[in-house]
Amino acid sequence: LAKTTQPISMDSYEGQEVNITCSHNNIATNDYITWYQQFPSQGPRFIIQGYKTKVTNEVASLFIPADRKSSTLSLPRVSLSDTAVYYCLVGFYNQGGKLIFGQGTELSVKP
Amino acid sequence: EAQVTQNPRYLITVTGKKLTVTCSQNMNHEYMSWYRQDPGLGLRQIYYSMNVEVTDKGDVPEGYKVSRKEKRNFPLILESPSPNQTSLYFCASSSPGGGRSNEQYFGPGTRLTVT
Repeated sequence: LAKTTQPISMDSYEGQEVNITCSHNNIATNDYITWYQQFPSQGPRFIIQGYKTKVTNEVASLFIPADRKSSTLSLPRVSLSDTAVYYCLVGFYNQGGKLIFGQGTELSVKP
Repeated sequence: EAQVTQNPRYLITVTGKKLTVTCSQNMNHEYMSWYRQDPGLGLRQIYYSMNVEVTDKGDVPEGYKVSRKEKRNFPLILESPSPNQTSLYFCASSSPGGGRSNEQYFGPGTRLTVT
């Protein structure tokens, strides 16, 4: 099963760009990479998903290098409301539906 | 509105008293899953179901049971709850489509306390 490693915590200031990197050295060929955001006492919320290169949506970008052993979630111009825990998740049907979330990165955005 | 619902949202119970936490989704999703979340341990998968009548163990299945008799419902059963099952529980569902999507929709959570 693909295991992910992320920084435990990060600090930033409003208006800055934040990049959170996730390491997944044993990612399988067919695995997608997915990022979630979670606020305290709420269920995680899907942010973005990708397979290779770059994916961008209205809230974030996801950069995946050619070897796919890591990925970087980029949040442009963060605000206080982006303070949350961010989880990287790899794999799905390759693992028969079993999913392992990493420890997540606690992002704190300061004024 | 597309959603995953869980009931109850809060529950305080005593050791050994059987309980069921219900989970229902209205998106016709094939995949459903239960997670528990504890401070410092992140989200851990308890059980999952790829479709009706198909269930399998996640990372921490001990002390839990599930069933998937209908596509929309995936109840979590604690036959004999113990204090170490005090936790925040989340149900999630998704439609993997071509078999690759990890876009899951999570319920609001059930905070369970076992005394």
